[in-house]
Amino acid sequence: DIQMTQSPSSLSASVGDRVTITCQASQDIGKYLNWYQQKPGKAPKLLIYGADYLEKGVPSRVSGSGSATDFTFTISSLQPEDVATYYCQQYHTLRTFGQGTKVHIK
Amino acid sequence: QVQLVQSGAEVKPPGASVKVSCKASEYIFTDYYVHWVRQAPGQGLEWMGWIDPTNGAPEYAQKFQGAVTMTMDTSISTAYLELTRLKSDDTAVYYCAREDPRFSMDVWGQGSTVIVSS
Repeated sequence: DIQMTQSPSSLSASVGDRVTITCQASQDIGKYLNWYQQKPGKAPKLLIYGADYLEKGVPSRVSGSGSATDFTFTISSLQPEDVATYYCQQYHTLRTFGQGTKVHIK
Repeated sequence: QVQLVQSGAEVKPPGASVKVSCKASEYIFTDYYVHWVRQAPGQGLEWMGWIDPTNGAPEYAQKFQGAVTMTMDTSISTAYLELTRLKSDDTAVYYCAREDPRFSMDVWGQGSTVIVSS
């Protein structure tokens, strides 16, 4: 099975800060990676597909990058509505989610 | 609009079975895989498996093989997840999600809560 390791598990940042989350795959997955946002009590929402493609309607302050085993998710200027948990998910072989990164406002 | 509507909350005793449904609307059901994802209280997302609606073939995560069954009824555009021999650690919210041609889960159900308690 492919394991996905996210870091950090949680972070606290101020409004306007740049926030970066990393996701590491246990083997080369090319660019077969998606990112989701989940707010409390809600279903996840797709933000990024194919490692770096922004889903329609998602603010341009959100971006993704990376390939092979190392991936990054970035919010360029954190907003209050970005408080959520973020998950990476590989689709190279079956499907696996990372353990999540909880983002708070400082 | 395109949506997946799941069945309501269930409370079951240990050892029982439960069947969760996921009804699709406003899209061609057989065009998209349906995935099931589990979220235990306070925990992250855990992929359980998918069902291919063109032929009803499921694919399960190794952890769930033998413990769950995924089926569907294309006549009513509904996918099902059955869990048997329930244990307390099966207490979770179970989500269904549609996978689009980009291999992204672009539409999610609202989640079905299953509580296993005596």
